[in-house]
Amino acid sequence: GENVEQHPSTLSVQEGDSAVIKCTYSDSASNYFPWYKQELGKRPQLIIDIRSNVGEKKDQRIAVTLNKTAKHFSLHITETQPEDSAVYFCAATISGAGSYQLTFGKGTKLSVIP
Amino acid sequence: DGGITQSPKYLFRKEGQNVTLSCEQNLNHDAMYWYRQDPGQGLRLIYYSQIVNDFQKGDIAEGYSVSREKKESFPLTVTSAQKNPTAFYLCASSTPWGEAFFGQGTRLTVV
Repeated sequence: GENVEQHPSTLSVQEGDSAVIKCTYSDSASNYFPWYKQELGKRPQLIIDIRSNVGEKKDQRIAVTLNKTAKHFSLHITETQPEDSAVYFCAATISGAGSYQLTFGKGTKLSVIP
Repeated sequence: DGGITQSPKYLFRKEGQNVTLSCEQNLNHDAMYWYRQDPGQGLRLIYYSQIVNDFQKGDIAEGYSVSREKKESFPLTVTSAQKNPTAFYLCASSTPWGEAFFGQGTRLTVV
């Protein structure tokens, strides 16, 4: 089955700096890669996703890049703010194959220091 | 925000007791999931279901059971066989392309 590795497990940045979280996946058939943000005591919520037919996607201060050859994808947060502090999870799945099981990374706890 | 609802938010279980966590969705999703989250840990898959009357074990199914009698409902029972059930439990459903929507979670504590 799919295996997703996520690094780092914790990340501290100064407010205004950039943060980068990296994930690798094992199944070359995976074609959908979402990122979730989970604030303390709350549910994970989708913040951005990317499909295997594109290499990069941006949404304001958040961007995701995908390298299919190397089987890794990354989340980039620019101009970090204290409200970005949360746990971030990457995930991978084979979309549309009749099996929708998402495989999650172990999460990255991001702390933005004011 | 609706979509997928878990209840109760907090649940206390005595030793040797079975408890059932409720999960209901009105998103018309076929796929539903149960995850367990321990402090500082990721999301570990307990069970998942891709269609009514069918479900599959995830990575940590021992001590848990589920049913999927209706498309909208996917309850999780934590049995007495689960020796360390204290955790945060998340239910989710997903679109055909894999986008997951989570419930607000149930925090289970053994007393």
